[in-house]
Amino acid sequence: RKEVEQDPGPFNVPEGATVAFNCTYSNSASQSFFWYRQDCRKEPKLLMSVYSSGNEDGRFTAQLNRASQYISLLIRDSKLSDSATYLCVFLSSNTGKLIFGQGTTLQVKP
Amino acid sequence: DVKVTQSSRYLVKRTGEKVFLECVQDMDHENMFWYRQDPGLGLRLIYFSYDVKMKEKGDIPEGYSVSREKKERFSLILESASTNQTSMYLCASCVLNTGELFFGEGSRLTVL
Repeated sequence: RKEVEQDPGPFNVPEGATVAFNCTYSNSASQSFFWYRQDCRKEPKLLMSVYSSGNEDGRFTAQLNRASQYISLLIRDSKLSDSATYLCVFLSSNTGKLIFGQGTTLQVKP
Repeated sequence: DVKVTQSSRYLVKRTGEKVFLECVQDMDHENMFWYRQDPGLGLRLIYFSYDVKMKEKGDIPEGYSVSREKKERFSLILESASTNQTSMYLCASCVLNTGELFFGEGSRLTVL
């Protein structure tokens, strides 16, 4: 089983829609979780960390479900500028390394 | 703002050539990383370094070496490039392994 799995998509949604991505991980010892955003032909950038209690940043909500070993990212009121690839990332407590998912592509259409 | 600069955005090399990819960061970060990114495989760690002259193998170090002679500079070396090393190479740095990596813009290497 891969250490982290994401549905690559693409997710095609209209402007204003709510969209959610999940990401599952196999290492139960994983400590910290993050969502990165990568625009086409650009480098990844940290979008937000994922806290155990769930956290929100404007239209973005991140949640962690340790029992089922997945994290999620919810985007409300999608904008055209949200079109990008979203990478889930976790910090392995075993190795101290960051493990990246392959990313989920979102296309927001007018 | 943190700046991570990669020397070349696009390179085309021939099989067997030696390739140097340079990365410089301006924020005095201890940790530096080299990843490659391929469709369907995501980012994979090649090598990383926690200090000057220190290097550790990542998940896919075969065919690569690195050099960290100065804190701000981390170089990736392909001793003899092969076609399966055609990829996007991303350099990154951070202060502590907290999860926030700062990436360079990437170097797209094509090996013919």
